Amino acid sequence: TQLLEQSPQFLSIQEGENLTVYCNSSSVFSSLQWYRQEPGEGPVLLVTVVTGGEVKKLKRLTFQFGDARKDSSLHITAAQPGDTGLYLCAGAQTNAGKSTFGDGTTLTVKP
Amino acid sequence: KAGVTQTPRYLIKTRGQQVTLSCSPISGHRSVSWYQQTPGQGLQFLFEYFSETQRNKGNFPGRFSGRQFSNSRSEMNVSTLELGDSALYLCASSFMSKNTEAFFGQGTRLTVV
Repeated sequence: TQLLEQSPQFLSIQEGENLTVYCNSSSVFSSLQWYRQEPGEGPVLLVTVVTGGEVKKLKRLTFQFGDARKDSSLHITAAQPGDTGLYLCAGAQTNAGKSTFGDGTTLTVKP
Repeated sequence: KAGVTQTPRYLIKTRGQQVTLSCSPISGHRSVSWYQQTPGQGLQFLFEYFSETQRNKGNFPGRFSGRQFSNSRSEMNVSTLELGDSALYLCASSFMSKNTEAFFGQGTRLTVV
């Protein structure tokens, strides 16, 4: 059973469209990270959210942490081809020694 | 500030052989974690080292092992390679243990034939 469920698994959209991807769990996390990974490269940290209900914006990307700290969403406005990649969420539980990663959402933005 | 460096980038090995992968963390980072990434299983945690001690271990067989040196550089070793060990092996460094903000290297692509 995957601790963090990401949806959708695959998403293909046209340049300029908006999109939202989700990261859900039945467990509570002390913090949650979002990463983006391009083919053949390692994941790159985008953001960390810590407080329930927290919203963080990074240019066209908006990240939200659920009030109960069990889920998160990533919204991209006016997607660009450069946004193409695998988006991974990772959560840390209070008493765990490591982060757990979701399986990711593969995003393709067509020009 | 240099990022996380993994060597080699690509490796082809034969079943039954062993392999050693290397990771140099960001300067000042003392925690190094290793992950295996495959299309079917996603990113799976192997183990974490902090100050030369293994702090956490994932659910992998004993063929997978690692170590960390006094300069925080880390190596992982896989013995008796199997076809299913083909994967991208990623190393991530953090300033502290249990720090969930990780900085990843580019990975080592291992192919077992």
